[in-house]
Amino acid sequence: QKEVEQNSGPLSVPEGAIASLNCTYSDRGSQSFFWYRQYSGKSPELIMFIYSNGDKEDGRFTAQLNKASQYVSLLIRDSQPSDSATYLCAVLLPSWGKFQFGAGTQVVVTP
Amino acid sequence: EAQVTQNPRYLITVTGKKLTVTCSQNMNHEYMSWYRQDPGLGLRQIYYSMNVEVTDKGDVPEGYKVSRKEKRNFPLILESPSPNQTSLYFCASSALGYNQPQHFGDGTRLSIL
Repeated sequence: QKEVEQNSGPLSVPEGAIASLNCTYSDRGSQSFFWYRQYSGKSPELIMFIYSNGDKEDGRFTAQLNKASQYVSLLIRDSQPSDSATYLCAVLLPSWGKFQFGAGTQVVVTP
Repeated sequence: EAQVTQNPRYLITVTGKKLTVTCSQNMNHEYMSWYRQDPGLGLRQIYYSMNVEVTDKGDVPEGYKVSRKEKRNFPLILESPSPNQTSLYFCASSALGYNQPQHFGDGTRLSIL
């Protein structure tokens, strides 16, 4: 069983709609959670991070964390074609310095 | 410009021929890490370092070595490369802290024949 799981997609989203991405993790002691966006052939770039239960908003992006359910999500509002990319969920494990990434969810925003 | 620089960007080599992928950062970050990315598997951590002379294993350290003699540099060494190490490799760095994002280099695509 993978320790950080994401739906691989592709997740097809009409332009202007909300994209909802999910991530579950297995280590209950995990400390922080990061969402990265990766365009094809490029390196990952940070979208946002969250470490407290609840919601965190940054522009069109909202991260949600539920530690009891070991679940973190990312909402992209008003999706744009430029949001078409693979989104990686990253988890900082209790042994600080050790990260685990999900395999990523491919998002395709259709005009 | 703040950046993480990896070299080479592309390398095709043969089994058993030692190679080094360099990584350098100019942000004075304490933390550096190496990942490999394979289709369907996402990023997997190879080694990480929280300071000079301090390195630790990630999830897939077999077949790799690292060193951290200077704060800015964190080379990845494959002493006897094998075809299963063909992959896309990323170096990353960050400040210390549980809420610090990692900055990634542009990646190194290695092909071991």
